[in-house]
Amino acid sequence: DIVMTQSALSLSVTPGEPAAISCRSSQSLLHTSGYNYLNWYLQKPGQSPLLLIYLGSNRASGVPGRFSGSGSGTDFTLRISRVETEDVGVYFCMQTLQIPITFGPGTKVDLK
Amino acid sequence: QLQLHESGPGVVKPSETLSLMCSVSDDSITRSTYMWGWIRQTPGKGLEWIGNIFETGSTYYNPSLHSRVSISMDTSTKQISLRLTSVTAADTAVYFCARGKTGVVVGAPRWFDTWGQGTLVAVSS
Repeated sequence: DIVMTQSALSLSVTPGEPAAISCRSSQSLLHTSGYNYLNWYLQKPGQSPLLLIYLGSNRASGVPGRFSGSGSGTDFTLRISRVETEDVGVYFCMQTLQIPITFGPGTKVDLK
Repeated sequence: QLQLHESGPGVVKPSETLSLMCSVSDDSITRSTYMWGWIRQTPGKGLEWIGNIFETGSTYYNPSLHSRVSISMDTSTKQISLRLTSVTAADTAVYFCARGKTGVVVGAPRWFDTWGQGTLVAVSS
C-alpha cells in the first residue's frame, strides 16, 4: 500500500497571510501519462470532504484562485496565497495511483 | 448539481451485517465517465477507502475488508449499496459515498469530485 504522510497535523495561520501544507507519499505518484495521481481535499467542520486540487496541480471547479497545488513524484504542497476565515478545516491528500486508495492523516488549519 | 445521500441504520449489532444505500440525484450513474466509491472515516484511523464500483459493474475492494464487503449499483433506481458483514466495534465510522472520475488506473478513479454528507454507523449491542 502507498502510505501518505502529512508532516504537520495542525497549522495556525493569520488571515491574509499565506499557508503551505505538505504531503508525502511512500512511492512516486507520477503516472506514465505524466500526471501525478495526488488530490487535495478540505473538510470543513461538520461537512464532507470538498475537492480542491486534482492530479497534483489542477484547481477543481469553483475553487478560489488562492488555492494552488504543486509537486511531483513523492512530495506535494498545497498553498493558500492569502488565508481567509472560511478556509479553516482539515486538509487531506489522497492518492489514486493504485488501489487501495489511501489518504493522508490530515492537517488541521485554524486561525491565530 | 449532483447530490449524494447516504442512508441506513444508525446502529448495527456486532456480528451482524451493515447495509447502506447511496442515492444519486442525477443521471451520472449511467455514464461510463463516472464511478462510485465508499469511504469511511473514524477519529482514530482517519479516512479509509472501502471499495469502488464502475458502470460496467466491476468492483474493487480494500484488501483489509475484501472478505466482508460488497458493493452493487442499480441504475434504474440510481442507488449504490454497501454491505459489510460480521461487523465489530472497529467498523463504527461515518460512511461516505462519493462519485469519481474514471481514468486509466485499474480500479481507481482519477479523483472523487463529489461526496455525500456521510452517515454515522455505530456498532453496538
